[in-house]
Amino acid sequence: RKEVEQDPGPFNVPEGATVAFNCTYSNSASQSFFWYRQDCRKEPKLLMSVYSSGNEDGRFTAQLNRASQYISLLIRDSKLSDSATYLCVVNRYTGNQFYFGTGTSLTVIP
Amino acid sequence: SQTIHQWPATLVQPVGSPLSLECTVEGTSNPNLYWYRQAAGRGLQLLFYSVGIGQISSEVPQNLSASRPQDRQFILSSKKLLLSDSGFYLCAWSNLEFTTQRTTGELFFGEGSRLTVL
Repeated sequence: RKEVEQDPGPFNVPEGATVAFNCTYSNSASQSFFWYRQDCRKEPKLLMSVYSSGNEDGRFTAQLNRASQYISLLIRDSKLSDSATYLCVVNRYTGNQFYFGTGTSLTVIP
Repeated sequence: SQTIHQWPATLVQPVGSPLSLECTVEGTSNPNLYWYRQAAGRGLQLLFYSVGIGQISSEVPQNLSASRPQDRQFILSSKKLLLSDSGFYLCAWSNLEFTTQRTTGELFFGEGSRLTVL
């Protein structure tokens, strides 16, 4: 079973739409959770960390459900510049390994 | 500020040829270092990670190897490339919090090396 699973999409949404991505992780020992963004043919970059209480950064909201081993990312008022692949990432302190989902592709359409 | 350099950016190699990708980090000491591979249309696969000089952990069996000859230098190698080795190779670093032995949580990636094996 994969460490992290995501719906690959693609998600094609109009500008201004709200879109949600989901992710599940298999190892209950996972301690830290993140969303990374990867533009085409570029390296991934941290979008935001995900905290147990949920957290928001502008138009982006992340949620964590430890009981269900589930992480989500909500993007409100989508912009053209939000088009990218969004990667769900979990980290276990033992060995300091980061595990990536396959990513969810988002295209925001004018 | 910290920076990470990875090279070469692009390379095309014949099957059976050797490989050497190099990564260096500046502006930090004793970082955790990682090599990931991203095959076309697939997610990032962790290949190797290192918590110190000469300390290499391998995640998957393969014909690749990694070495860390210096604190901020990480090298990915192969003696004989396979077609299946084609992909986007990414070096990354993270910091270990000294007091709690936890990582800060963020991975910083190099710009990647795109390898095509023909």
